[in-house]
Amino acid sequence: DAGITQSPRHKVTETGTPVTLRCHQTENHRYMYWYRQDPGHGLRLIHYSYGVKDTDKGEVSDGYSVSRSKTEDFLLTLESATSSQTSVYFCAISVLSGINSPLHFGNGTRLTVT
Amino acid sequence: EDQVTQSPEALRLQEGESSSLNCSYTVSGLRGLFWYRQDPGKGPEFLFTLYSAGEEKEKERLKATLTKKESFLHITAPKPEDSATYLCAVPAFGANSKLTFGKGITLSVRP
Repeated sequence: DAGITQSPRHKVTETGTPVTLRCHQTENHRYMYWYRQDPGHGLRLIHYSYGVKDTDKGEVSDGYSVSRSKTEDFLLTLESATSSQTSVYFCAISVLSGINSPLHFGNGTRLTVT
Repeated sequence: EDQVTQSPEALRLQEGESSSLNCSYTVSGLRGLFWYRQDPGKGPEFLFTLYSAGEEKEKERLKATLTKKESFLHITAPKPEDSATYLCAVPAFGANSKLTFGKGITLSVRP
């Protein structure tokens, strides 16, 4: 268990509303990631962080923002949710300090935008 | 751009019927390959890391192998509890551990 907690686990929201998903880790790892998983697309990287206040975009970052004010928390915000953002969102951490280390994932947040 | 392709998309086996799952990749330089298992409603669970062609890793009924173009996950005498989606991924260039994933192979093992 890599000590990753995602909240909420499920959320239903309306189009146009803001939504924030939280990822909390207990082990002070430097690198954290947000992925979304959709049928036919697999896991795709949204944003990642390499330290407090240090973030960068992934391949599907449009419509999403992130913040990391503490090592243990990485927040993903949908400023104005759209139906295309209905998905399962996974947070991940890199537990090794070297490059090319495997990621460990939380159990996801299922988001439905109506 | 790194690409990862997994085949077949789905595989149904009888308990005890051995088979292999394929992961082929196109990368600018091999930096390793990871295998994951994902159960419904859960996040991917890390299984193996392979870093160089010819390398093999084993865990219970699973054995992962790596060549310069592809990786195989061999499942020997599978049991129903091996039913899951199996994902492979390759790391991007650079020290940020970003992963590019294949779409996964859904394995069903019938008792």
